[in-house]
Amino acid sequence: QVQLQESGPGLVKPSQTLSLSCTVSGGSIISETHYWTWMRQRPGEGLEWIGYIYYSGTTYYNPSLKSRVIISVDTSKNQFSLTLRSVTDADTAVYYCARQFFQYWDYWGQGNLVIVSS
Amino acid sequence: QSALTQPASVSGSPGQSITISCTGTSSDVGGYNFVSWYQQHPGKAPKLIIYEVTKRPSGVSDRFSGSKYGNTASLTISGLQAEDEVDYYCSSYTSTATYLFGTGTKVTVL
Repeated sequence: QVQLQESGPGLVKPSQTLSLSCTVSGGSIISETHYWTWMRQRPGEGLEWIGYIYYSGTTYYNPSLKSRVIISVDTSKNQFSLTLRSVTDADTAVYYCARQFFQYWDYWGQGNLVIVSS
Repeated sequence: QSALTQPASVSGSPGQSITISCTGTSSDVGGYNFVSWYQQHPGKAPKLIIYEVTKRPSGVSDRFSGSKYGNTASLTISGLQAEDEVDYYCSSYTSTATYLFGTGTKVTVL
């Protein structure tokens, strides 16, 4: 059974950088059929797709966040990461990592709440 | 890109059927058979219940079914049960190779 687990700080100061990692267990991140995705959900709101990475390092981002986002992968750790620069309170959200198969997400992490506040 | 439009809430009595709509454009919902639906319990991660418009993952109840007509996709829950009283989100692939989610629907079992 594949499992994903987010980790990272729950509090980030405005203008600083948010960094989260997602560790994959029960399966290899080196997969020709899967992409590894980050999404977020602001409090009381819907889901927003942030972007994905392929094990080779190929990435694709939401145009609305592209200038501030980097998603990277570390195959030796079976892990991928999210970096979001210059955060504001609008970036306060639960951040989810998920495994993408074709055009849907079949396994999700439990979510990591990140609050942007001084 | 704007979120896909879902009704904020849908309600029904136990045993009844309800339908949740998900309206987009020809650049997303209407242009591809890549609509998926997720069920989300409070404080939990979303769970995939329908993919590629009509397909159900293994282990998901056959009370959940999906369809699409034009730019609107729909999720139908038949034989409504108390445990179905949670939030539902649709998602679609788009013409810019990105993904949109719906605004979310809260189901209430009367």
